[in-house]
Amino acid sequence: SQQGEEDPQALSIQEGENATMNCSYKTSINNLQWYRQNSGRGLVHLILIRSNEREKHSGRLRVTLDTSKKSSSLLITASRAADTASYFCATDVPDRGSTLGRLYFGRGTQLTVWP
Amino acid sequence: DAGVTQSPTHLIKTRGQQVTLRCSPISGHKSVSWYQQVLGQGPQFIFQYYEKEERGRGNFPDRFSARQFPNYSSELNVNALLLGDSALYLCASSRTSDQETQYFGPGTRLLVL
Repeated sequence: SQQGEEDPQALSIQEGENATMNCSYKTSINNLQWYRQNSGRGLVHLILIRSNEREKHSGRLRVTLDTSKKSSSLLITASRAADTASYFCATDVPDRGSTLGRLYFGRGTQLTVWP
Repeated sequence: DAGVTQSPTHLIKTRGQQVTLRCSPISGHKSVSWYQQVLGQGPQFIFQYYEKEERGRGNFPDRFSARQFPNYSSELNVNALLLGDSALYLCASSRTSDQETQYFGPGTRLLVL
């Protein structure tokens, strides 16, 4: 089963509004990463937050991580039509003592931003 | 620096055939991972290779195999193709240490008829 689950599955907003997407996961992690995917193309990395971090910013993006609740949120402020895409959270999970993790993805949130 | 590259971009095969997908990581990256993304789902982990050795394998049948070459490029092979293998196959590379960002290529879209 997939480790991360995003909520909501779909989100529709107007340009200029903020968009918030949530992610829940099941096991301990090395880090959590957020990716964007346009129309079934390759994944674009947005931000990585480590397990010992609680909040991180990058431009219009703000990510929080609550390891006690095993959850994360991605906030996109002042959204634009170009932000329309699928957004995935991916948890980097340690594997049998290896320091190299593997990414587990949720099903994603489809964000639509209307002009 | 060039990003992760994958070839071919699109591929059509028939059931029972075999396919080889290729990936070149970002220069300096020694870890390559493969993911399968079925339409409407998130990517699922298939393999991870580091320094030419398999370091992780997801829940995929033995029809799936991969290898990493001395230049750190990688190939994913799928034998005896099934209709359900139709998907976007993504390759990601990262540097040597753990807790690293994984950078994805554009993917190879495979259609099995």
